Amino acid sequence: LAKTTQPISMDSYEGQEVNITCSHNNIATNDYITWYQQFPSQGPRFIIQGYKTKVTNEVASLFIPADRKSSTLSLPRVSLSDTAVYYCLVAEGDSSYKLIFGSGTRLLVRP
Amino acid sequence: GAGVSQSPSNKVTEKGKDVELRCDPISGHTALYWYRQRLGQGLEFLIYFQGNSAPDKSGLPSDRFSAERTGESVSTLTIQRTQQEDSAVYLCASSSYSLSGNTIYFGEGSWLTVV
Repeated sequence: LAKTTQPISMDSYEGQEVNITCSHNNIATNDYITWYQQFPSQGPRFIIQGYKTKVTNEVASLFIPADRKSSTLSLPRVSLSDTAVYYCLVAEGDSSYKLIFGSGTRLLVRP
Repeated sequence: GAGVSQSPSNKVTEKGKDVELRCDPISGHTALYWYRQRLGQGLEFLIYFQGNSAPDKSGLPSDRFSAERTGESVSTLTIQRTQQEDSAVYLCASSSYSLSGNTIYFGEGSWLTVV
């Protein structure tokens, strides 16, 4: 069973803010939440990681509510080059080393 | 190198032949992962190594698949008697756990086509 649930796809337009939400109801106390971006024919690339509240870096923000049962990746002012698949990842159980990816969200950014 | 390196980048093989895929992780990373991704699909977890040990091999699709890691570095994924359904990109990743979490870094994959 997948640990995470994400929308299968999303559409947006250049310059808009995009928010992708991931559900992880069974997140464990020691689990972190990580988001990856994958372009066609490439390996996934790390975007952002967090444990609780809000994390921001140069490319995205990650919002995690107090119960940590979901998280939202926020991409400000998307461009065409942000068209990709975005994966939400939560560590597996007590071991942080068995990392199971969900099905991902295909984001299409239109002109 | 600075990143995860995989070879070969592309492999076309005949059905029934064996193939070996190699992964060079980031230096010092203790954990190493193999994933499979079929065209248009998500990432399918195969196996991970902590050091040279693989605590959980349940993700391997069949007994035709095996993997080993030596020197807490290079790993080889071997597929015996390849079948057409083995065609996919095989992605390797490595990580080193820290207080800020467990960030994994992927290679560019080995694209396998079984004809």
